[in-house]
Amino acid sequence: DAKTTQPTSMDCAEGRAANLPCNHSTISGNEYVYWYRQIHSQGPQYIIHGLKNNETNEMASLIITEDRKSSTLILPHATLRDTAVYYCIVRVDSQGGSEKLVFGKGTKLTVNP
Amino acid sequence: DAGITQSPRHKVTETGTPVTLRCHQTENHRYMYWYRQDPGHGLRLIHYSYGVKDTDKGEVSDGYSVSRSKTEDFLLTLESATSSQTSVYFCAISDPGQGDYGYTFGSGTRLTVV
Repeated sequence: DAKTTQPTSMDCAEGRAANLPCNHSTISGNEYVYWYRQIHSQGPQYIIHGLKNNETNEMASLIITEDRKSSTLILPHATLRDTAVYYCIVRVDSQGGSEKLVFGKGTKLTVNP
Repeated sequence: DAGITQSPRHKVTETGTPVTLRCHQTENHRYMYWYRQDPGHGLRLIHYSYGVKDTDKGEVSDGYSVSRSKTEDFLLTLESATSSQTSVYFCAISDPGQGDYGYTFGSGTRLTVV
């Protein structure tokens, strides 16, 4: 079962920051927070992941609260092409690969002109 | 995505016929996965492979079998297709041993069983 809770849908104006929340109150100390997105009819796309420090890459920023029970994905300047379903997933990263990605329902983000 | 391709992209088949979907990767990744995606259920893991000839079941494996005879190919077979197997199928790869914990997904195969 998915271990995260996300809003079903969100709207954002083009050019503004999109802030997508995720609750993971039962996260374990060795579980990472991953974000993926799925644009209509395409395969999911990796965005970013982190353990406890905030992370930033060319696509987004990930802010994880100090208690690690929640996080926020930030798309700094949303465009129409960012309209997608965004999935927040927690998982242990093990070299043995025993932990699989378990997808929940995600958040449907709609970026409006 | 570059490095992972699925074939066919679309297929319509009749109930009771066997169907094989192919996932091909050029990344030399150890792990390969098959997911299905249905409205209301999201992405669910069918089977996965952690090496050549090493496979295991996911959460919705009934009615499906897989084979991996070489690193680059992972085949998903529906021995006798049913209408409930109408879905979009996604393949993914990863290689935790090389520090690549994220999954790269293919573009999907849309299967319709009539």
